[in-house]
Amino acid sequence: GENVEQHPSTLSVQEGDSAVIKCTYSDSASNYFPWYKQELGKGPQLIIDIRSNVGEKKDQRIAVTLNKTAKHFSLHITETQPEDSAVYFCAASINNAGNMLTFGGGTRLMVKP
Amino acid sequence: EPEVTQTPSHQVTQMGQEVILRCVPISNHLYFYWYRQILGQKVEFLVSFYNNEISEKSEIFDDQFSVERPDGSNFTLKIRSTKLEDSAMYFCASSPVGAGELFFGEGSRLTVL
Repeated sequence: GENVEQHPSTLSVQEGDSAVIKCTYSDSASNYFPWYKQELGKGPQLIIDIRSNVGEKKDQRIAVTLNKTAKHFSLHITETQPEDSAVYFCAASINNAGNMLTFGGGTRLMVKP
Repeated sequence: EPEVTQTPSHQVTQMGQEVILRCVPISNHLYFYWYRQILGQKVEFLVSFYNNEISEKSEIFDDQFSVERPDGSNFTLKIRSTKLEDSAMYFCASSPVGAGELFFGEGSRLTVL
C-alpha cells in the first residue's frame, strides 16, 4: 500500500520567514495530494491540494509543488505569521470514490513573533 | 459555515466494553469516513461509507468495528469489545463527492483503561 513520509517533524521559523515542508510517497498510482492544518483541539482542515496533472498550485501565501517522477511534493508558506503555528499533514490518495487518504506523520510548525 | 460534529469529545471506558462514537456529517454530503490517530502516530484511514454501505476499509477495521447510518443524519462507529490499543483520537469526515475535499470533525478521544 501507499506510504507517505514527511519532514521535518518540527520546524521553527521567525515571523516573516518562509517555511517548507516536504513529503514523499511510494505508490506511483497516487494522484491527489492534499495538505491539512490542525490546530490544537481541532480536526484537520484542508488548506491546499494538488492533483497529478499540475506541477504547482498557489493560494496567497501558500503554494504546493509536485514532482511525480521523484514522487515528492512540498508545501511552501511565505511571510509566515504566528497564526500559521499548527501541525501540518500531507496526504496522498488514488482519487477514486472513497478518497482513502494516507497521511504523513505531521510537522509541528512554530512561528516565533 | 456547516461543519462535521462529533460526540462525545472524550470517552473513557474499560477494556472489553462496547463504545459508540457519533458523528453528524455535513447535511448534503454523500461520503462518510472514520480515521483515527494514536497519540504520536500518523492519522490512519479506517473506513469509508457511501450509499448505506462500506465502500473501502483498512486492515485496522476488523470484526470488532462496525459503522452505521441509522437515521439519515448520524454516522456511528461502534467498537464491540475495546482493547487498550484502541485508545486514540477518532476523526469523522464527510465529503460531497468521492473525489472531493474531506471535511473533518474535531475528533472523539477514546481512552481504554
